[in-house]
Amino acid sequence: QVQLVQSGTEVRKPGASVKVSCRASGYTFSTYIMHWVRQAPGQRPEWMGWINAGNGETKYSQKFQGRVAITSDTSASTAYMELSSLRSEDTALYYCARDYGGGYFYFDYWGQGTLVTVSS
Amino acid sequence: EIVLTQSPATLSLSPGEKATLSCRSSQSVGSYLVWYQQTAGQAPRLLIYDVSNRATGIPARFSGSGSGTDFTLTISSLEPEDFAVYYCQQRSNWPLTFGGGTKVEIK
Repeated sequence: QVQLVQSGTEVRKPGASVKVSCRASGYTFSTYIMHWVRQAPGQRPEWMGWINAGNGETKYSQKFQGRVAITSDTSASTAYMELSSLRSEDTALYYCARDYGGGYFYFDYWGQGTLVTVSS
Repeated sequence: EIVLTQSPATLSLSPGEKATLSCRSSQSVGSYLVWYQQTAGQAPRLLIYDVSNRATGIPARFSGSGSGTDFTLTISSLEPEDFAVYYCQQRSNWPLTFGGGTKVEIK
């Protein structure tokens, strides 16, 4: 069965960076796109970007351009999302979410979420 | 950016009743509209893709309709596990965007 297991809770100070991992199992990692979506408390989900795990191609929301980097390691079936220059508004639950296929741009499996808290 | 507006914000209904949820888009998304269900403390769950196609394992009481800018998710007869928050998402334009959600609560 498909599983996406994310790394644990992170606490950072403003201005710092955070890197969240997402280990996939139960499918061929390199044949799917992986997205990152965040959700602040009580807010709607917000799409951040994706990576094609097969060729490393990425696409980011303009809102996060320059601050976010999504990478993957096919040998470890793991995707990563690094967000830099953190501010308090970045406090949220960060999810990895598998694309339905190779570019359908909706999400059929989600990780359990990683809470990132930004506080001085 | 395409803005999705969901209404109502909260729907108070009893088990067995019919729920009708609306999602309106600021510009046409064609048929590229998706619905998710989110229960407390959980990640969203894919319900419906491309307006009316149920995802794997989704019961037939969930149905979707609409086109262009106006979309509806219908739950024909609410089961206890259906009380949750529902989000729509468009995949027509970048960035992908979500609606603000409709909470279906027990009356």
